[in-house]
Amino acid sequence: GQQVMQIPQYQHVQEGEDFTTYCNSSTTLSNIQWYKQRPGGHPVFLIQLVKSGEVKKQKRLTFQFGEAKKNSSLHITATQTTDVGTYFCAGRGAQKLVFGQGTRLTINP
Amino acid sequence: KAGVTQTPRYLIKTRGQQVTLSCSPISGHRSVSWYQQTPGQGLQFLFEYFSETQRNKGNFPGRFSGRQFSNSRSEMNVSTLELGDSALYLCASSLRSLGGDTQYFGPGTRLTVL
Repeated sequence: GQQVMQIPQYQHVQEGEDFTTYCNSSTTLSNIQWYKQRPGGHPVFLIQLVKSGEVKKQKRLTFQFGEAKKNSSLHITATQTTDVGTYFCAGRGAQKLVFGQGTRLTINP
Repeated sequence: KAGVTQTPRYLIKTRGQQVTLSCSPISGHRSVSWYQQTPGQGLQFLFEYFSETQRNKGNFPGRFSGRQFSNSRSEMNVSTLELGDSALYLCASSLRSLGGDTQYFGPGTRLTVL
């Protein structure tokens, strides 16, 4: 069945450093979504990518969808303490939305 | 618009008991999906209901079941609870069927099985 792998599982950075999480699917996706879950909270939708090679930016966050629509990445420039949380990708395959395991980001102020 | 609500927020049960969790989606949303979240397994998809019909099902035993009512509210039931069922259960609603739309998550129900 469809699998979505996300790496790394954990990432600890100094405030101001950059952060990247990668998402890889075993099958071609029709779209990919990214969510953020703050500690003690619930996942909150960040963005959806649909087109091959698509790049979208939200302030310091840059999202990319691979040309083959099987991988994606989220890059945060100059992290801030408010970026702490777990970032999940979710890939849509055949009528299913499969979540990656998430990357937990912690930041040293 | 009010967000997704889940009740109860916290629940403590013992092994062998059964539990029912409730989810009220955002007004106008017809799809409700349920997820189990544990520290080791991440977000695991349980099932999705759309217009009172189960559309998709994850790889969980038959002890996990659900239903959706005509007002789109959904319930999830777990029978014969096991220690491993301790988890945060999240429901998410969307306008259209799963994956085609943004998932709006509720705050979750924290279930502890003793």
